[in-house]
Amino acid sequence: GAGVSQTPSNKVTEKGKYVELRCDPISGHTALYWYRQSLGQGPEFLIYFQGTGAADDSGLPNDRFFAVRPEGSVSTLKIQRTERGDSAVYLCASSLTSDNEQFFGPGTRLTVL
Amino acid sequence: GENVEQHPSTLSVQEGDSAVIKCTYSDSASNYFPWYKQELGKRPQLIIDIRSNVGEKKDQRIAVTLNKTAKHFSLHITETQPEDSAVYFCAAPAYSSASKIIFGSGTRLSIRP
Repeated sequence: GAGVSQTPSNKVTEKGKYVELRCDPISGHTALYWYRQSLGQGPEFLIYFQGTGAADDSGLPNDRFFAVRPEGSVSTLKIQRTERGDSAVYLCASSLTSDNEQFFGPGTRLTVL
Repeated sequence: GENVEQHPSTLSVQEGDSAVIKCTYSDSASNYFPWYKQELGKRPQLIIDIRSNVGEKKDQRIAVTLNKTAKHFSLHITETQPEDSAVYFCAAPAYSSASKIIFGSGTRLSIRP
């Protein structure tokens, strides 16, 4: 079956704008994660969903960041009032359950000018 | 605490030799410790994982050892090949939440021909 997909692959925006990043997990995977990866660093945990609910959002850097997963499948990461420091690759991953292999999507490269 | 330290940050080995990457974690609520490989511009992919009910796991040229008492685990790659060149990340669940995966900062492995 298809792997994890993310859209768009690249997003360039201006400082202060609002962006939405989409993640389509592997069908049947109840766990979904968002990470942020800066150049030369490991993925940084942002938020974890179990089904429709955000089970752990402790990695979201501030209240400009928000994520939803209304039907327990597709998830959207929303960033308000973007700042240059938000520039990074945003990775989504899904897994069958929370302590199993995470399958990563290709990421969305966000550039805030 | 929630910290995973990974060493070395870069590693260059002669083709055919072995490579060892080490990680330590401050604490963990779970027993699942994965290793991911990330090639340039690609998504992270799981190469091997270990659970704390075993001390070592091997898959062909790759092995992982875990010392839960000392809170460290290592990746061993034997008979290295050019295609092993990549960045490798260890990861461990956070103490606060087993579903929150903390990644190390990565090791850039280069295989010299």
